[in-house]
Amino acid sequence: AQKITQTQPGMFVQEKEAVTLDCTYDTSDQSYGLFWYKQPSSGEMIFLIYQGSYDEQNATEGRYSLNFQKARKSANLVISASQLGDSAMYFCAMRAKSGGGADGLTFGKGTHLIIQP
Amino acid sequence: DAGITQSPRHKVTETGTPVTLRCHQTENHRYMYWYRQDPGHGLRLIHYSYGVKDTDKGEVSDGYSVSRSKTEDFLLTLESATSSQTSVYFCAISESGQGSPLYEQYFGPGTRLTVT
Repeated sequence: AQKITQTQPGMFVQEKEAVTLDCTYDTSDQSYGLFWYKQPSSGEMIFLIYQGSYDEQNATEGRYSLNFQKARKSANLVISASQLGDSAMYFCAMRAKSGGGADGLTFGKGTHLIIQP
Repeated sequence: DAGITQSPRHKVTETGTPVTLRCHQTENHRYMYWYRQDPGHGLRLIHYSYGVKDTDKGEVSDGYSVSRSKTEDFLLTLESATSSQTSVYFCAISESGQGSPLYEQYFGPGTRLTVT
């Protein structure tokens, strides 16, 4: 079985500061993908970034980067130079290659990030 | 943006009535998914499809059925709605399935369903 844990239910950060959102995962699979999604107050789910379990380099997409520490089973999202528009719920998710279970993403419960001016 | 639409976007229905939610995609992706989102639970997989007429159960499939008669459409049916099925329902699509875990899923705008 796969599990995603996000230990920060909510975070307040000053605008322009860097933000790290924590995510740890558990899986017995060797091949898996880790994803981050943003959900603003309008409700849509926006894909941000992914990391493959065999990728040696940390993924980056603009101001987003994924701090992947495989031995610790962590996949933290880092947002550089936060902006007011970054205020949203952030979900970490995983998809494993086999697992014997259903296809689909396993999600954490999310972190509510609020950027303060 | 991925071409995914969901209908209806909002629905209020009474306990015991059947409800069908529709997901439509224009990306020609093979894989489609239904999730529900509830406070404190993140998103949970209800059912998914890996091709026309090929579907399977997810984590929370009890009380739901699905059908996929065309690549572009994936229907979620609540045979007899209950108050516990009040939720926000998201459809998602992906180019690849479990054999390639690196392909991201793109989500539709969601349907807010209230069962009274």
